[in-house]
Amino acid sequence: EVQLLESGGGLVQPGGSLRLSCAASGFTFSNYGMNWVRQAPGKGLEWVTAISGSGGSSYYADSVKDRFTISRDNAKNTLYLQMNSLRAEDTAVYYCAKGMTTITTRNDYWGQGTLVTVSS
Amino acid sequence: EIVMTQSPVTLSVSPGERATLSCRASQSVNSKLAWYQQKPGQAPRLLIYDASTRATGISVRVSGSGSGTEFTLTISSLQSEDFAVYYCQQYNDWPGTFGPGTKVDIK
Repeated sequence: EVQLLESGGGLVQPGGSLRLSCAASGFTFSNYGMNWVRQAPGKGLEWVTAISGSGGSSYYADSVKDRFTISRDNAKNTLYLQMNSLRAEDTAVYYCAKGMTTITTRNDYWGQGTLVTVSS
Repeated sequence: EIVMTQSPVTLSVSPGERATLSCRASQSVNSKLAWYQQKPGQAPRLLIYDASTRATGISVRVSGSGSGTEFTLTISSLQSEDFAVYYCQQYNDWPGTFGPGTKVDIK
């Protein structure tokens, strides 16, 4: 059974940093691309970033480019999202999602999400 | 960036009736279109990918069609578990953009 468990969310001040983690199990982690998708309160889904199975390629939404960094540790089956220079508009539930190929935004399994609140 | 639009915003349907949801892309996405269902407080769930392929465990009452820029999700004989928000997403080009969603509620 595929499981994705996010952690690391919380309250942070504008301009601050936070690192999210996603522990994966139930599949061969290194074979699949992974994504972060976020959802602001009461709003729709917004793709944030993707990383290839090997970790050698990554893509970012313009809204987070140069502020967020996606990475993965295939030995630990864990996905990360380093978020710097956080803004109020980054407030959202952040979902970790498993891609269906080595790098894609097509996701077949999603975690339950972790809430990030950016506020003073 | 490819812009996805969905209609209607809200669809009120009686249990047992059919629901038809539409999704349009601002340019061709070929058949690289997915549909997700999301219930309150839950993560999205993949229903359809490649425009018409049902994901694992998805009921045969759920079907997808279309290609290019026009797509449709059909749910026949709505049941209580089908009342939710539905999002389409294209993955033909980066970034993979989502539509704004269609809420299916009980009439």
